[in-house]
Amino acid sequence: GDSVTQMEGPVTLSEEAFLTINCTYTATGYPSLFWYVQYPGEGLQLLLKATKADDKGSNKGFEATYRKETTSFHLEKGSVQVSDSAVYFCALGGSGAGKSTFGDGTTLTVKP
Amino acid sequence: EPEVTQTPSHQVTQMGQEVILRCVPISNHLYFYWYRQILGQKVEFLVSFYNNEISEKSEIFDDQFSVERPDGSNFTLKIRSTKLEDSAMYFCASSEWASNTGELFFGEGSRLTVL
Repeated sequence: GDSVTQMEGPVTLSEEAFLTINCTYTATGYPSLFWYVQYPGEGLQLLLKATKADDKGSNKGFEATYRKETTSFHLEKGSVQVSDSAVYFCALGGSGAGKSTFGDGTTLTVKP
Repeated sequence: EPEVTQTPSHQVTQMGQEVILRCVPISNHLYFYWYRQILGQKVEFLVSFYNNEISEKSEIFDDQFSVERPDGSNFTLKIRSTKLEDSAMYFCASSEWASNTGELFFGEGSRLTVL
């Protein structure tokens, strides 16, 4: 079945450091890929998405490129801020009206 | 901005009691989901719902669970006889498009504590 493997956390960085959170997936077909972010005490919200191979999703300085050859969708940001501290989830779109599959989440803490 | 709303935000119940969690999805969305999250980490799929019927459900979604869209706006999750291991944060989500292409819009969650 479909699955998502995310880089284990927690990740602690200093402000302005470079961020990479790795995500690889296993799926049949060509699913859409998503990164969701969950700030403390809140629900998940979409950060960015890519719907086909070689697409790059970007938002708020974060980027991720859909790599079909390596089945990866790594999240990157060049310079993190304290306000980026949150849990980040990589997700795979389901087929039809079915489920999306989420990775285990990576907790990011950015220190001033 | 339209949003998914969930009630209650927190419910404490005794083991064996019935619980109903309520959700109001975004009004023009057609696909509805329940997920749960234990210990603030792993997000587990429970069920998807489209066209007034369940599209897919996980092994977690056993006979103790049911979903309903009784009036065209609310989307409810019922747990008939709660167990300790049902304690979790339950998230409702909706989507305008099928989850393969459309993003999920999540509510802020209902925390269920089973004693």
